[in-house]
Amino acid sequence: SQTIHQWPATLVQPVGSPLSLECTVEGTSNPNLYWYRQAAGRGLQLLFYSVGIGQISSEVPQNLSASRPQDRQFILSSKKLLLSDSGFYLCAWSAGDRPNYGYTFGSGTRLTVV
Amino acid sequence: GDSVTQMEGPVTLSEEAFLTINCTYTATGYPSLFWYVQYPGEGLQLLLKATKADDKGSNKGFEATYRKETTSFHLEKGSVQVSDSAVYFCALAYSGAGSYQLTFGKGTKLSVIP
Repeated sequence: SQTIHQWPATLVQPVGSPLSLECTVEGTSNPNLYWYRQAAGRGLQLLFYSVGIGQISSEVPQNLSASRPQDRQFILSSKKLLLSDSGFYLCAWSAGDRPNYGYTFGSGTRLTVV
Repeated sequence: GDSVTQMEGPVTLSEEAFLTINCTYTATGYPSLFWYVQYPGEGLQLLLKATKADDKGSNKGFEATYRKETTSFHLEKGSVQVSDSAVYFCALAYSGAGSYQLTFGKGTKLSVIP
């Protein structure tokens, strides 16, 4: 069966520090991968998605970036965090040829920038 | 573009009350429709889905029917429990740029009191 792992679960970082969040998927190949952010009291905002290794599409301009160095690995990064980067970050995967299956989400990373 | 509109919360119900969370959508073509649930501090879980008009998705006592004529996918449960307290997201799936992306509503927070 397919599983998705996301870490760390919680992170407190000072303003201006770098960020690296990692997400890996097991049990499938060539998944579509996604990063979402959920700010306090708000809905889900799609940040990045990837349909293959090295292919990244950005939905929202910001100081975050994403990379996909391996088929089942998706990394969210920042060189210098801002206070507004605080939120709950969710990674998800989907089968590219089966939109009806929806997404499977990781358990999320709670990021607090102080 | 495609969009999903959910009733705004929060919704507070007593245990064993009837639940309806309204969801309407705007989309070209015939999207698949989903309800996701997010329990406190966790990622999103797929609750139910429907892939074509008149389909009924059901799970854990929750139901939703894909109504093409009213472009709706309302979530219902006959008797809610305290453990149903969570945020519920309606979503639709469409294809774009080789990736199958979910468009989410803003979420509806449900609190069930004993």
